Amino acid sequence: DAGITQSPRHKVTETGTPVTLRCHQTENHRYMYWYRQDPGHGLRLIHYSYGVKDTDKGEVSDGYSVSRSKTEDFLLTLESATSSQTSVYFCAIRVEGMGGTEAFFGQGTRLTVV
Amino acid sequence: AQKVTQAQTEISVVEKEDVTLDCVYETRDTTYYLFWYKQPPSGELVFLIRRNSFDEQNEISGRYSWNFQKSTSSFNFTITASQVVDSAVYFCALRRELTGGGNKLTFGTGTQLKVEL
Repeated sequence: DAGITQSPRHKVTETGTPVTLRCHQTENHRYMYWYRQDPGHGLRLIHYSYGVKDTDKGEVSDGYSVSRSKTEDFLLTLESATSSQTSVYFCAIRVEGMGGTEAFFGQGTRLTVV
Repeated sequence: AQKVTQAQTEISVVEKEDVTLDCVYETRDTTYYLFWYKQPPSGELVFLIRRNSFDEQNEISGRYSWNFQKSTSSFNFTITASQVVDSAVYFCALRRELTGGGNKLTFGTGTQLKVEL
């Protein structure tokens, strides 16, 4: 599992409330990513990080912010949750291996905004 | 712009049949990587294969094989003698470099494979 833990695994929240999802890795990888998965869209990149305090936007970043204050944790925050943010959220890390790099994904967080 | 198309939304086969999952991609990059991931009913994403744009050799891993054809921008995935455990959603993805040295994966919409007894 490449040492990735996402928490919580499931969450139901109300529209307008702030929500923070946590991605924790144990192997000191530099690059971390947040994707969301929606039917008919596959997975889409929300934000990514290339080091402590170094983050940038992906293709669907509106309504989301991230923080990375230490290597092992990458937090995704929905400042004011909306129903359109109901989704499954995946964290990923880039792992350097023989012959190249791969992205390994966490188990996912199912978020429902009611 | 990058795009990955998996035109097959759902495929149903009977166990032991061979099945091919199609993937067509678009990119302007001269160097790129293609991936296949499996998402079983439990929900996790499992890495299956990476292929770079310079290597058009087909690859076989057990019952799995991949056919990469640059001329048609396709990276198709074949499962030989399918099994019920192969039932999953399969995603094809295209990788590009990002600012700061990271990568972005552009995913197709996935193909749901159902293998029945």
